Amino acid sequence: DQQVKQNSPSLSVQEGRISILNCDYTNSMFDYFLWYKKYPAEGPTFLISISSIKDKNEDGRFTVFLNKSAKHLSLHIVPSQPGDSAVYFCAAISGSTPLVFGKGTRLSVIA
Amino acid sequence: EAEVAQSPRYKITEKSQAVAFWCDPISGHATLYWYRQILGQGPELLVQFQDESVVDDSQLPKDRFSAERLKGVDSTLKIQPAELGDSAMYLCASSLAPGPYLAYFGPGTRLTVL
Repeated sequence: DQQVKQNSPSLSVQEGRISILNCDYTNSMFDYFLWYKKYPAEGPTFLISISSIKDKNEDGRFTVFLNKSAKHLSLHIVPSQPGDSAVYFCAAISGSTPLVFGKGTRLSVIA
Repeated sequence: EAEVAQSPRYKITEKSQAVAFWCDPISGHATLYWYRQILGQGPELLVQFQDESVVDDSQLPKDRFSAERLKGVDSTLKIQPAELGDSAMYLCASSLAPGPYLAYFGPGTRLTVL
């Protein structure tokens, strides 16, 4: 049973527009959420995170929103750039447990 | 900037052969993870170390996989014998401690079993 779900395998967005990547989770014990970005043939790199006590965290062009009641989080990228094209993984932690990942969403930013 | 090192980057082997992957975490990171990522899926934990001790290996197929971190620094993941279904990216990550500490990933080892 997947605890972290990314239901959109892929997303295409025009350069300069907003990219919205979504993530749902089932484990209400998750208390910390992260987004990782992955280019082909490389390991995932950390992008942004949010604690369960917050509902928003912003870092430059990247904003993560958390809706605990809906067990849903989203990553907004504004404005989207061609270099943002990658696979984005949503991940979650409960206490001291290891990261649990979703299946990823492949973002393509079209110039 | 400190990085997690992994080798080899690519490995091609025939089924029933033995393979080994090496990981050197960021200096001072007590927690080390091995993840496996099958194409189209997210990374899945194989084993977690805290210093030299295994904390979680519940998802490690112990009939063919083994992992060690003898001195609590670098780590080796071994598969013997390799099967076709083991073809995947094997990712090593490290963090200062378990829990909400940022996990840094290495570049991974892409394994192809023929």
